[in-house]
Amino acid sequence: DIQMTQSPSSLSASVGDRVTITCRASRGINIFLAWYQQKPGKVPKIIISEASTLHSGVPSRFSGSGSGTDFTLTISSLQPEDAGTYFCQKYNTAPLTFGGGTKVEIK
Amino acid sequence: EVQLLESGGGLVQPGKSLRLSCVASGFNFDDYAMHWIRQAPGKGLEWVSGISWNSRDIDYGKSVRGRFVISRDNAKNSLFLQMNSLRVEDTAFYFCTRSAAFYFSDYWGQGVLVTVSS
Repeated sequence: DIQMTQSPSSLSASVGDRVTITCRASRGINIFLAWYQQKPGKVPKIIISEASTLHSGVPSRFSGSGSGTDFTLTISSLQPEDAGTYFCQKYNTAPLTFGGGTKVEIK
Repeated sequence: EVQLLESGGGLVQPGKSLRLSCVASGFNFDDYAMHWIRQAPGKGLEWVSGISWNSRDIDYGKSVRGRFVISRDNAKNSLFLQMNSLRVEDTAFYFCTRSAAFYFSDYWGQGVLVTVSS
């Protein structure tokens, strides 16, 4: 099975900072990658699919890129409401494996 | 409005069985694949199982294959997860989710807690 590795596992940044989270697949998955945001005590929410397609209602400061094995989620200007944990998920074939998550804290 | 409502969670002893249900509303249930995704308290997300709209495609995560069975009843807009031979490590919140084809989950239920303990 393909493994998904996220880094870093946690980060702390200031409001206005540019934040980058990476997700690496152990084998190529084309662009079949999604990113989810989970705020504390809440259900995960899809923010990006097909590696770079922003979902409706998601602020434009979020962007995704990559294909094959290496993917990136970028928050161009971190806001207080962006605190939470971010997960990547592959969906080219089952199993639809998640990365381990990246916890984003605001300094 | 899309709604997914899970039920059936609770406390169960190791080795026993439990059946989760998820009732969907607000969309054409038989147009979508459905999944179960779990999250142990304070931990990450783990895809458990998925089923296509017509039940022809079914798959499981490695940790539950052979113990859990996913099914659906399109006439009742319902998704099920029969969990057998439960282990302590199956303790988690179980989320019912919707996806187009066998893709990412665009809607999630609120989750139901399953606790496996003696």
